[in-house]
Amino acid sequence: NAGVTQTPKFQVLKTGQSMTLQCAQDMNHNSMYWYRQDPGMGLRLIYYSASEGTTDKGEVPNGYNVSRLNKREFSLRLESAAPSQTSVYFCASMRDSSTEAFFGQGTRLTVV
Amino acid sequence: QKEVEQNSGPLSVPEGAIASLNCTYSDRVSQSFFWYRQYSGKSPELIMSIYSNGDKEDGRFTAQLNKASQYVSLLIRDSQPSDSATYLCAVNVDSNYQLIWGAGTKLIIKP
Repeated sequence: NAGVTQTPKFQVLKTGQSMTLQCAQDMNHNSMYWYRQDPGMGLRLIYYSASEGTTDKGEVPNGYNVSRLNKREFSLRLESAAPSQTSVYFCASMRDSSTEAFFGQGTRLTVV
Repeated sequence: QKEVEQNSGPLSVPEGAIASLNCTYSDRVSQSFFWYRQYSGKSPELIMSIYSNGDKEDGRFTAQLNKASQYVSLLIRDSQPSDSATYLCAVNVDSNYQLIWGAGTKLIIKP
């Protein structure tokens, strides 16, 4: 029972490089989310997908793009990484709009 | 702007005592309320969910919801050092696919 799986767990990028964070869930959940968490701060929503085929911006979408590849997978892309994007990124999924979120183990990203 | 407020702490509680964590929210139509625990360097994990006014107990944990006062709390009885973590409060408005998160309260249980 894997739940929500994120890859990679750690990544170091140089400024200007691009990368894609992968997320997959095996719980047949409809909604998927990408958050970032900076030291001493709460979770900030980057993008979400309420259902397969839809994506919407969250609180801090600038510098990111997402793709809901299918019901299971939701990827986050950084086209041109900046030091301000150094953070821990969490993917999460929810069965529907009123239920709890389940989180992946996180990706610790450092942009130098 | 929908908001969820928590005292950032740290909240220091002696081992064996009751830890009380509080959360207030701004949106009166909020319907789903969650408490998550996050250990340092780990992802948030769900402790309790509560949907209606009153108390909900699960082992050493009790969630309390008062929708009229827009207040949800988490009580941890017989606190253990392993309860030391950051506790995040999250609120959802039904039909809204986003959880609104508090910044978390850091709890320290002193042996």
